[in-house]
Amino acid sequence: GAVVSQHPSRVICKSGTSVKIECRSLDFQATTMFWYRQFPKQSLMLMATSNEGSKATYEQGVEKDKFLINHASLTLSTLTVTSAHPEDSSFYICSARRGGRVNTEAFFGQGTRLTVV
Amino acid sequence: AQSVAQPEDQVNVAEGNPLTVKCTYSVSGNPYLFWYVQYPNRGLQFLLKYITGDNLVKGSYGFEAEFNKSQTSFHLKKPSALVSDSALYFCAVRDPTGAGSYQLTFGKGTKLSVIP
Repeated sequence: GAVVSQHPSRVICKSGTSVKIECRSLDFQATTMFWYRQFPKQSLMLMATSNEGSKATYEQGVEKDKFLINHASLTLSTLTVTSAHPEDSSFYICSARRGGRVNTEAFFGQGTRLTVV
Repeated sequence: AQSVAQPEDQVNVAEGNPLTVKCTYSVSGNPYLFWYVQYPNRGLQFLLKYITGDNLVKGSYGFEAEFNKSQTSFHLKKPSALVSDSALYFCAVRDPTGAGSYQLTFGKGTKLSVIP
């Protein structure tokens, strides 16, 4: 299957700093990437959908100025958590879909465990 | 709006016994249905999908799922459970019309524990 690489897998940062998480599709072009947040023992909550070359579409309740998403190329999307606070600590997961294929499944990155201290 | 229900938070099964993880869905039109598995501190791995065709879908690691339109269900099954199957399982549905850029809606997940 297709490979989606997410980096870093773990990051610890100080409160008030910013953290960037990268999501790369290694062997296919991803016109659409999704960013999820997962709280302990809970399901994945969709944060935003990003399409290459356009602004991300954020879900209700997600602060777009706090969670900056850039999808500058067909193989890379980034999520930047700005001015992080302890309540932003969570597991963040990206996924990507191949462009132009309606029936394909989404492929997921391995996730990033963010801890804000 | 589409939705997915996984009625069981946890399923325990003895190694070697058959397992079932339940999923029901709600979506306008014909659904695209998926099962994913998540191991601790990892992303999701694709197991199988139903798009159209045969109601019994076979996937990775010996798993299969049966699409039942009348019951709006898509239960995950395996004839003989392994200890290594212990993980968190997510059912997901996607709107086939492409609304929302084909985003997935996930169930809350079911923790499967296979007891040696």
